[in-house]
Amino acid sequence: GQQLNQSPQSMFIQEGEDVSMNCTSSSIFNTWLWYKQDPGEGPVLLIALYKAGELTSNGRLTAQFGITRKDSFLNISASIPSDVGIYFCAGHSSNTGKLIFGQGTTLQVKP
Amino acid sequence: DSGVTQTPKHLITATGQRVTLRCSPRSGDLSVYWYQQSLDQGLQFLIQYYNGEERAKGNILERFSAQQFPDLHSELNLSSLELGDSALYFCASSVAAGLSDTQYFGPGTRLTVL
Repeated sequence: GQQLNQSPQSMFIQEGEDVSMNCTSSSIFNTWLWYKQDPGEGPVLLIALYKAGELTSNGRLTAQFGITRKDSFLNISASIPSDVGIYFCAGHSSNTGKLIFGQGTTLQVKP
Repeated sequence: DSGVTQTPKHLITATGQRVTLRCSPRSGDLSVYWYQQSLDQGLQFLIQYYNGEERAKGNILERFSAQQFPDLHSELNLSSLELGDSALYFCASSVAAGLSDTQYFGPGTRLTVL
């Protein structure tokens, strides 16, 4: 079945550093979504991407929909302590109608 | 606060039992989604309802079922519970029917099966 490989699994960085994480799949997706989950909370949608090659920003966050439609990247610039949490990618295929989530990237920021 | 409410917050039960989780979507949202989050399986989409009808299915087991009522609240029924069903169950809602539409997640129900 469809699977998403998200990497890295975890990151421990210094405040102010830039962060990059990605998701790859052997399948094509029509939509890529990036979520952040704080401890004890539900995921919150950060960015949605709808077209191959699309680059979208939300404040210090930038995400890209890969040209092959099989991958997506999320970058966080100038990280701050409140960026701590788990980041999930999700891909939606209009063929299967399914929404598949990556395993998550746990981000820790050292002040 | 996303506006999505879920009850109960915690549930502890035994193997073989049946439980019902409840979700009230944000005011005006017609779609309700159910997700399961566990340590070994990660976050998985289970099922979506739109305006009372099943819209999309994910990795939902046959022992699980859901429905959306005329007032748009939804219930997820889990039966013949197994230890591996222990997880955090999230409900989310959105205005429209597309799986990629912005979904607002509730706080979750933590189910522990002993």
